[in-house]
Amino acid sequence: GENVEQHPSTLSVQEGDSAVIKCTYSDSASNYFPWYKQELGKGPQLIIDIRSNVGEKKDQRIAVTLNKTAKHFSLHITETQPEDSAVYFCAASPHGSSNTGKLIFGQGTTLQVKP
Amino acid sequence: SAVISQKPSRDICQRGTSLTIQCQVDSQVTMMFWYRQQPGQSLTLIATANQGSEATYESGFVIDKFPISRPNLTFSTLTVSNMSPEDSSIYLCSALVERNSPLHFGNGTRLTVT
Repeated sequence: GENVEQHPSTLSVQEGDSAVIKCTYSDSASNYFPWYKQELGKGPQLIIDIRSNVGEKKDQRIAVTLNKTAKHFSLHITETQPEDSAVYFCAASPHGSSNTGKLIFGQGTTLQVKP
Repeated sequence: SAVISQKPSRDICQRGTSLTIQCQVDSQVTMMFWYRQQPGQSLTLIATANQGSEATYESGFVIDKFPISRPNLTFSTLTVSNMSPEDSSIYLCSALVERNSPLHFGNGTRLTVT
């Protein structure tokens, strides 16, 4: 079945620096790739998503890139702020499903932004 | 998007008992799902809650252990039956407003089984 690998597991950056989190997926039929931010005591919150017909998507300080050939996608956060500190999860829809509710999640990255 | 509320937000239960978690969405949604997040780990899909019919379970999850109801387009329940300490997890309700829309989550129910 589909497998999603996420790296690094922890990431510490200085405020103002950029942070990059990378994920690889195994199912070449996957076509939907969301990223979630989870703060302590809360549920995951969608921050950005990308579909397989697009190579890059940007929303203010956050961008996601997708390389379908290599089967990997990355989250880029620029000008990091202390409030960006959280656990970030990547995910992929398995088997080319059009159902964006059935997701395979990566293991998570704990991002710490030091002021 | 949809606002998803779960009750209870946390509970401590004794082994062998059952707990029912309620999930209420503030608008009608196409699909609802239940995920589990074990301590310090990632999210795993338990099942799709189907309105008016039996839930669709993922591999490794069975109806006898995790019975699910979805009586209408805004409400679902998940029961964790005959609990053991291994069931200690965060249980997350989630929903799609439309089939291809992004998935939104509630804040979860933090369950500890002693």
